[in-house]
Amino acid sequence: ETGVTQTPRHLVMGMTNKKSLKCEQHLGHNAMYWYKQSAKKPLELMFVYNFKEQTENNSVPSRFSPECPNSSHLFLHLHTLQPEDSALYLCASSLRGASEKLFFGSGTQLSVL
Amino acid sequence: SQQGEEDPQALSIQEGENATMNCSYKTSINNLQWYRQNSGRGLVHLILIRSNEREKHSGRLRVTLDTSKKSSSLLITASRAADTASYFCATAVSYSGAGSYQLTFGKGTKLSVIP
Repeated sequence: ETGVTQTPRHLVMGMTNKKSLKCEQHLGHNAMYWYKQSAKKPLELMFVYNFKEQTENNSVPSRFSPECPNSSHLFLHLHTLQPEDSALYLCASSLRGASEKLFFGSGTQLSVL
Repeated sequence: SQQGEEDPQALSIQEGENATMNCSYKTSINNLQWYRQNSGRGLVHLILIRSNEREKHSGRLRVTLDTSKKSSSLLITASRAADTASYFCATAVSYSGAGSYQLTFGKGTKLSVIP
């Protein structure tokens, strides 16, 4: 257990659905991240939150919408996704920033039909 | 362009042998980190080595860093079947002012340890 919990573990959705991914950390960390992992590609950083403020958005399409209500919780709201959005979505946290080690959740395996 | 690239992409060894994976990067770094990922799961942090360090050990793991060659290696000694996983290097690079860093991952090396 890394102290970072992601739900659900698996998600299948149609292109017109709206769903949300949830991430929770109990480590007292102040930075939280969403990464996308597709087959045969490096991990892609999507969003970064520091002290609940979004500090990075790596040109992610607007069909992905992050939310960070407090330092312990992070959501990724999904709507009108495309089949190419199918991937493993990983949440991570670190104490202060990206120069420190990251603690990852187990990920949500998303399939868009 | 990709900051960190692991080599080889895949490695298959017998249990008990040593496994060496390499990582090359392009720009100056604050630190370099190695992570491990079992299939379909999250990444687990293994070792962080700072730019002013040359070698670090953790159990059966040994990491070296050569900043002049912009490369790092991860050595797993006396490998076990349970070491079968993908291994990623990640480089922490400073950007847009003091204290801001971005961590960039490579594509990983897939290690298979055969019992």
